[in-house]
Amino acid sequence: NAGVTQTPKFQVLKTGQSMTLQCAQDMNHNSMYWYRQDPGMGLRLIYYSASEGTTDKGEVPNGYNVSRLNKREFSLRLESAAPSQTSVYFCASSVMAAATNEKLFFGSGTQLSVL
Amino acid sequence: KQEVTQIPAALSVPEGENLVLNCSFTDSAIYNLQWFRQDPGKGLTSLLLIQSSQREQTSGRLNASLDKSSGRSTLYIAASQPGDSATYLCAVSAINDMRFGAGTRLTVKP
Repeated sequence: NAGVTQTPKFQVLKTGQSMTLQCAQDMNHNSMYWYRQDPGMGLRLIYYSASEGTTDKGEVPNGYNVSRLNKREFSLRLESAAPSQTSVYFCASSVMAAATNEKLFFGSGTQLSVL
Repeated sequence: KQEVTQIPAALSVPEGENLVLNCSFTDSAIYNLQWFRQDPGKGLTSLLLIQSSQREQTSGRLNASLDKSSGRSTLYIAASQPGDSATYLCAVSAINDMRFGAGTRLTVKP
């Protein structure tokens, strides 16, 4: 079972460049999320999509945009990358939004460095 | 704003030892609490989920407890094994919000 698939696994950008992180899930989940993980800190929510066609800001949305392309796919875009966006990015999904009693399923992450 | 703290940040124990990982949170108005395992370079795997109305959940050698009134949860690992070495994170859910602790890095020495 593939579960949650993220691409790419590694990426190096120069300041000001743009890129899109891709995420797809094959579990027919309604809700999808993008988190970032920085050393010594817990995961922080960037954006989430409670259901197809909806997106909402999380705790740290500045500098990012998202697109819920269809039920399976949720992409994260950095329009003008900054060194502060150097982090590990995780996509996750759940049957319903995280406020309910549903477990989250995570992808393996994208390690992004912005020089 | 909900804050989640995990102490200690790192723990090293000999194989076979029973151990407890701690998680504390500041706002008791939560829907559930989850414990996750993260291996180096990998994503998170959900181990146990405790609903707000529950006191504990068990899976194999793992037992998680929840005391909402005191804002605390513990993850008990019995008879630890080297394969248990990983970072363990707790996360609390409320309305449209999930907050993670920074994790405890566990090393089980053979």
